[in-house]
Amino acid sequence: KAGVTQTPRYLIKTRGQQVTLSCSPISGHRSVSWYQQTPGQGLQFLFEYFSETQRNKGNFPGRFSGRQFSNSRSEMNVSTLELGDSALYLCASSLARLAGNEQFFGPGTRLTVL
Amino acid sequence: DAKTTQPNSMESNEEEPVHLPCNHSTISGTDYIHWYRQLPSQGPEYVIHGLTSNVNNRMASLAIAEDRKSSTLILHRATLRDAAVYYCILTNNAGNMLTFGGGTRLMVKP
Repeated sequence: KAGVTQTPRYLIKTRGQQVTLSCSPISGHRSVSWYQQTPGQGLQFLFEYFSETQRNKGNFPGRFSGRQFSNSRSEMNVSTLELGDSALYLCASSLARLAGNEQFFGPGTRLTVL
Repeated sequence: DAKTTQPNSMESNEEEPVHLPCNHSTISGTDYIHWYRQLPSQGPEYVIHGLTSNVNNRMASLAIAEDRKSSTLILHRATLRDAAVYYCILTNNAGNMLTFGGGTRLMVKP
């Protein structure tokens, strides 16, 4: 079974631009979550999508948004990029929304904002 | 808000047991305790999780304090492949990872 895939793997943008990152979950997984990882703040939860609906959101500004398609693939968008948005963005999928469910992570997209 | 606290780094000898502690004194009654590990240039990988009782799986054991304010991940025999950053994470009852520790970098010496 193929794992979680994220595209692109690396991205360089300049301040003020916007970016869209893509995540394809494991086949059959309906929940997709996004996380930001930085050296300073560590791992932080961005949001979770299930059945094309955002189910939970972390403490991030409205510039961060996402969506999920009917095939469970998900995208996240960051508008008006700031230097502090430079990070590794991780996507994870799981079968369902259960506390004990294992989340399977992709390799991440490394975003650099210049 | 709940928080988790972990030591920045720990060192172990190969084939010896390793105990990785995590403090989560502000955990709420419905939070689950998850442990994931992350190898360089990879996304985190599930290790184990629990709610109140101690748990064992093929990778590790999780010992949870009776008051749930701390937990310990136990690797019974560390191998070189276990060298990674280990994260202690609290999740809500929908599985959302809302609270992360800073991670413990485990170094395993041959």
